[in-house]
Amino acid sequence: EVVLTQSPGTLSLSPGDRATLSCRASQTVTDNLLAWFQQKPGQAPRLLIYAASGRAAGVPDRFTGSGSGTDFTLTINRLEPEDFAVYYCQQFGSSSFTFGQGTKLDIK
Amino acid sequence: QVQLKQSGPGLVKPSLTLSLTCAISGDSLSSNGVAWNWIRQSPSRGLEWLGRTYYRSKWSNDYAWAVQGRITVSPDTSKNQFSLQLTSVTPEDTAVYYCARGSRSTFDFWSQGTLVTVSS
Repeated sequence: EVVLTQSPGTLSLSPGDRATLSCRASQTVTDNLLAWFQQKPGQAPRLLIYAASGRAAGVPDRFTGSGSGTDFTLTINRLEPEDFAVYYCQQFGSSSFTFGQGTKLDIK
Repeated sequence: QVQLKQSGPGLVKPSLTLSLTCAISGDSLSSNGVAWNWIRQSPSRGLEWLGRTYYRSKWSNDYAWAVQGRITVSPDTSKNQFSLQLTSVTPEDTAVYYCARGSRSTFDFWSQGTLVTVSS
């Protein structure tokens, strides 16, 4: 099973800042099938990025995914107040899916 | 727009079977290229994919290793819905359960989630 480790655990920033979130896999992610989700309290996760860098429908272009192999990054430019949430990465391989433990982005 | 609405009990006694149903609107259970998944979330285990069902000229399933042997995900084409059965539950199965559509090796539409508590 591929283990995804996200860092940092908590990121404290201000609106207008740039956020850089990391997701590292214990082994190569097949075909870079790595996704990113945003989750707010009491809500289901929301898909942001698929296949490492594809932006899901309706996702603002300030959200950018990058990376390959075992190291992936979610960058959020010009943070808006609604961006403060928990972010998860997720991978697919060998007919199974795993998630990272999450990075909490909170307001400084 | 795809919408998923789940239903089922919020409380299950230990050793019994957890059963949830997910009704689909805006898409077909038999659509090519998509899969129908169950995912749960708890403070101790985080987000955990449980299993899926999908149609590729025949119905198939994949299950997470951690629940293999206890889980069944079944399609119901007559009602355009799918279900989860998890047997022999323990308090460790207490979680918010979600159903979700799988596409492009991820999950693009989710239900609102249901808290299922395992307790006597």
